[in-house]
Amino acid sequence: QSALTQPASVSGSPGQSITISCTGTSSDVGGYNFVSWYQQHPGKAPKLMIFSVNNRPSGVSNRFSGSKSGNTASLTISGLQAEDEAHYFCSSYTSSDTLVFGGGTKLTVL
Amino acid sequence: EEQLVESGGGSVQPGGSLRLSCAASGFTFNRYNMNWVRQAPGKGLEWISYISSSSITIYYADSVRGRFTISRDNARNTLYLQMNSLRDDDTALYYCARFLPGYGLRGGIDVWGQGTTVTVSS
Repeated sequence: QSALTQPASVSGSPGQSITISCTGTSSDVGGYNFVSWYQQHPGKAPKLMIFSVNNRPSGVSNRFSGSKSGNTASLTISGLQAEDEAHYFCSSYTSSDTLVFGGGTKLTVL
Repeated sequence: EEQLVESGGGSVQPGGSLRLSCAASGFTFNRYNMNWVRQAPGKGLEWISYISSSSITIYYADSVRGRFTISRDNARNTLYLQMNSLRDDDTALYYCARFLPGYGLRGGIDVWGQGTTVTVSS
């Protein structure tokens, strides 16, 4: 199972919006609405930000939103804040009954 | 507080074995599906194994199938990962992690431990 494809890095200024893409295949992202997004700060464990494409767990800011079109899922962060600077990983359930992650995207807040 | 605490990591030579443990607290362990996820130094996340709440359903990533065995003891609120035939590319931080209730592999992972480091080197 190949990793999902994410851009290596994205950046934005405080207050702006950014979008991180996550591209898979019809056997994972495109075939199911089971895409999750995680935020990871250096030296810390990942934190769940979005599940089932566009659902936020309790406690996650509504500045974070998810969507999907075809084989590509997206995470949008609006009103960028300094504390949003982190690595972001997507994941998807697959037709092989496995979980596959993306390679990760480093978000820099300028 | 819902918490997962891993232990058992360390340094081992190629071909060796290790057994990781994950102690759960603050929630009803036997109601949750669990998994192990690893992260090689400076790299991304890699899912490696899943076990359902009752141990009936188990899945592995291709990279570890036949070498690693996941198990759990609900009476002890503990998740395990037996790792055999270890290779250099198994070097990573190993996270114990809990799925959202009722979702299993299809859901998000809402509780993570802090990880235990496994180093495979001659």
